[in-house]
Amino acid sequence: DTGVSQDPRHKITKRGQNVTFRCDPISEHNRLYWYRQTLGQGPEFLTYFQNEAQLEKSRLLSDRFSAERPKGSFSTLEIQRTEQGDSAMYLCASSLLVAGGLTGEQFFGPGTRLTVL
Amino acid sequence: AQKVTQAQTEISVVEKEDVTLDCVYETRDTTYYLFWYKQPPSGELVFLIRRNSFDEQNEISGRYSWNFQKSTSSFNFTITASQVVDSAVYFCALSALGGYNKLIFGAGTRLAVHP
Repeated sequence: DTGVSQDPRHKITKRGQNVTFRCDPISEHNRLYWYRQTLGQGPEFLTYFQNEAQLEKSRLLSDRFSAERPKGSFSTLEIQRTEQGDSAMYLCASSLLVAGGLTGEQFFGPGTRLTVL
Repeated sequence: AQKVTQAQTEISVVEKEDVTLDCVYETRDTTYYLFWYKQPPSGELVFLIRRNSFDEQNEISGRYSWNFQKSTSSFNFTITASQVVDSAVYFCALSALGGYNKLIFGAGTRLAVHP
């Protein structure tokens, strides 16, 4: 296992369509995060899993967004009824819980670039 | 509220110059980590360093060095003798225990190193 992988790397879709992205974290990592990065900005937190439990969702995550992490391994992020404003790079990261509740460094995948026409 | 400010949007230097990227953070948590990530043109975020809030020792790794000062809430990053391969966007980020360790990123500083 060489790192976090994401699929697909690029997705072009028409407004109103549903899309789903997949993230495979580093195998022993129990924490998984989704971020969104728009052009010229830093990544923004979307949601976070510890094992299979989704523990926090950002206000950026509207009702059209849903994320899952069945069995605490890979995760999927689905966007329903896509809008042009959803166009962005969607980044997945994983990390390992360390002592004291703090997490180790987050390792990022290559991202999925979504373009909504 | 937690916030990271990188006031320098873009920096342009000539190869072999030293360059410092500024980072100022805000948090009410007493336990937190600070990070620097590099995002080259390929797009993948590359981890550079993590410092915890209890360790203010400066760190040096090759041409890279970091200056953490709690008194001014700053965590600045210096590249010595810059090289063209250092050209990238650099992000400073904050991760606090009270925030489930999610990363709060600054807007990034784009560094261009010219030959």
